[in-house]
Amino acid sequence: KNEVEQSPQNLTAQEGEFITINCSYSVGISALHWLQQHPGGGIVSLFMLSSGKKKHGRLIATINIQEKHSSLHITASHPRDSAVYICAVRSSFGNEKLTFGTGTRLTIIP
Amino acid sequence: EPEVTQTPSHQVTQMGQEVILRCVPISNHLYFYWYRQILGQKVEFLVSFYNNEISEKSEIFDDQFSVERPDGSNFTLKIRSTKLEDSAMYFCASQRDRSYEQYFGPGTRLTVT
Repeated sequence: KNEVEQSPQNLTAQEGEFITINCSYSVGISALHWLQQHPGGGIVSLFMLSSGKKKHGRLIATINIQEKHSSLHITASHPRDSAVYICAVRSSFGNEKLTFGTGTRLTIIP
Repeated sequence: EPEVTQTPSHQVTQMGQEVILRCVPISNHLYFYWYRQILGQKVEFLVSFYNNEISEKSEIFDDQFSVERPDGSNFTLKIRSTKLEDSAMYFCASQRDRSYEQYFGPGTRLTVT
């Protein structure tokens, strides 16, 4: 069973700051997702990655397979980035289901 | 852009009643999932569905739960006799094929009283 840990659990920052959210997992994976959940509850997929680095706008996601670790970075943070960011992994053992972390609640203060 | 839709957005039901949560996955997708999130907790896997049958289910998915894809477009989750602890947000997700990204619906908030 894969254990997915995120840190920090809560993060408050000033607008414009560089944000880093970390995710580590215990068992080999085929892919890792970063997801965003707004207060209304809906989940939006930000990235799926299995190696290296991906960038979309101000968001950057990296993964180190050997260290079983991924980071999500937000550059020039904005109050609209305030949300819960969730890391979820897909096992490398054939099934496609996702195992989720507990999420990081990010609050950006203007 | 195609998206996963779910109805209703909020369902209130009394303990012991049956509920059906509905999802319309993205049309050319082959893999379908139900997840749930109890308030304040992390999202948990319930069941995956592929080729018109359950491919995997979690310990949570007991005999009170069932899934169906009755008409090739809708994907439903039925809870036969709801319990208070079934109160949660239920998310449907679909995936085009193996190793592709999963796309989530907006969720149905189920409240059991």
